[in-house]
Amino acid sequence: GDSVTQMEGPVTLSEEAFLTINCTYTATGYPSLFWYVQYPGEGLQLLLKATKADDKGSNKGFEATYRKETTSFHLEKGSVQVSDSAVYFCALPYNQGGKLIFGQGTELSVKP
Amino acid sequence: DVKVTQSSRYLVKRTGEKVFLECVQDMDHENMFWYRQDPGLGLRLIYFSYDVKMKEKGDIPEGYSVSREKKERFSLILESASTNQTSMYLCATTYDGRYGYTFGSGTRLTVV
Repeated sequence: GDSVTQMEGPVTLSEEAFLTINCTYTATGYPSLFWYVQYPGEGLQLLLKATKADDKGSNKGFEATYRKETTSFHLEKGSVQVSDSAVYFCALPYNQGGKLIFGQGTELSVKP
Repeated sequence: DVKVTQSSRYLVKRTGEKVFLECVQDMDHENMFWYRQDPGLGLRLIYFSYDVKMKEKGDIPEGYSVSREKKERFSLILESASTNQTSMYLCATTYDGRYGYTFGSGTRLTVV
């Protein structure tokens, strides 16, 4: 069945460091791919998305490219800030509009 | 922007109580979902609904039921709360799963 695998955390970085969080998926067809972010005590917010292969999603300095050849959607940011400390989830929709299938989540902690 | 409102951010209930968690969305979306989030277990789907008066079991429906009398409101019901239902509960909605899902802020339920 469809699934999402994320690199395990926690990840601890210094401010202004480069961030990569790996995400790979298994799916039938070419579903949309999402990155969600969850700040402490909050719900999930859509960070960025890509709806088809080779699309690049971007928001708030974060980027991810939908690569069907490697079935990956890695999240990157060139220079992280303390305010980026959160849990990041990679996800895909099952059957377009069905449930969201999530990766395990990666906790990011950015130190000043 | 779609707004998803969960009625309570924090809730404390006693074992055996009947508990109602309410979720309201303001965009006339048909698809609504209830997840629970637990450390080490990630996000798990409890129930979902594709239309008024329709409901489908998710991955962990035991001990829960739902109600969808109006399109904008999707209620999660704990028939007889137990301590193992202590968790963060998240409601979500989507119009078209390819373009993203919107989550509420979550309800942190503690059953004592």
